[in-house]
Amino acid sequence: DAKTTQPTSMDCAEGRAANLPCNHSTISGNEYVYWYRQIHSQGPQYIIHGLKNNETNEMASLIITEDRKSSTLILPHATLRDTAVYYCIFKGDMLTFGGGTRLMVKP
Amino acid sequence: KAGVTQTPRYLIKTRGQQVTLSCSPISGHRSVSWYQQTPGQGLQFLFEYFSETQRNKGNFPGRFSGRQFSNSRSEMNVSTLELGDSALYLCASSRDQGQFFGPGTRLTVL
Repeated sequence: DAKTTQPTSMDCAEGRAANLPCNHSTISGNEYVYWYRQIHSQGPQYIIHGLKNNETNEMASLIITEDRKSSTLILPHATLRDTAVYYCIFKGDMLTFGGGTRLMVKP
Repeated sequence: KAGVTQTPRYLIKTRGQQVTLSCSPISGHRSVSWYQQTPGQGLQFLFEYFSETQRNKGNFPGRFSGRQFSNSRSEMNVSTLELGDSALYLCASSRDQGQFFGPGTRLTVL
């Protein structure tokens, strides 16, 4: 089964960059890496996805290592509203969510 | 473009009853997936429908079923409710890459 490994929790100061790592050593060559976040009791929110090139959108940047075994989601200027659980997943037949990283942005 | 909508948002049932939850995907999205989220088990995949056909299924008992209509709207049904079925049920729709989630239906079984 597709599996990712993320730290259970992280803290970040407001206004600083939040760098969330993810290991996905079993990813296959044509599987995209997806990042979602979930704010308490709401549905997961899509953030960004990528295959092998780095990606950037209005929410975040995604850095994928050359061997594709890991990636980092970067929130360039974290705000209090970025406090959430962040999930790194890749899509096989279905999206398999792990435990995610609970990011706490502190003032 | 309107997002994924789910109805009802909150529901309270008693053990043994059955429940039907509804999901309207984003316009143009033909794939609809359902997930169950509980504090202990996290987000777990239930099933996916595409063009009115179940394409994938997770590891849930037969009490959990679903269907998709020609307009891509989907329903899931849980029969003979158990206390452990209390959860947030999430629906997500997709067209190509990425899934977009609805707000969920919070089901409480008493």
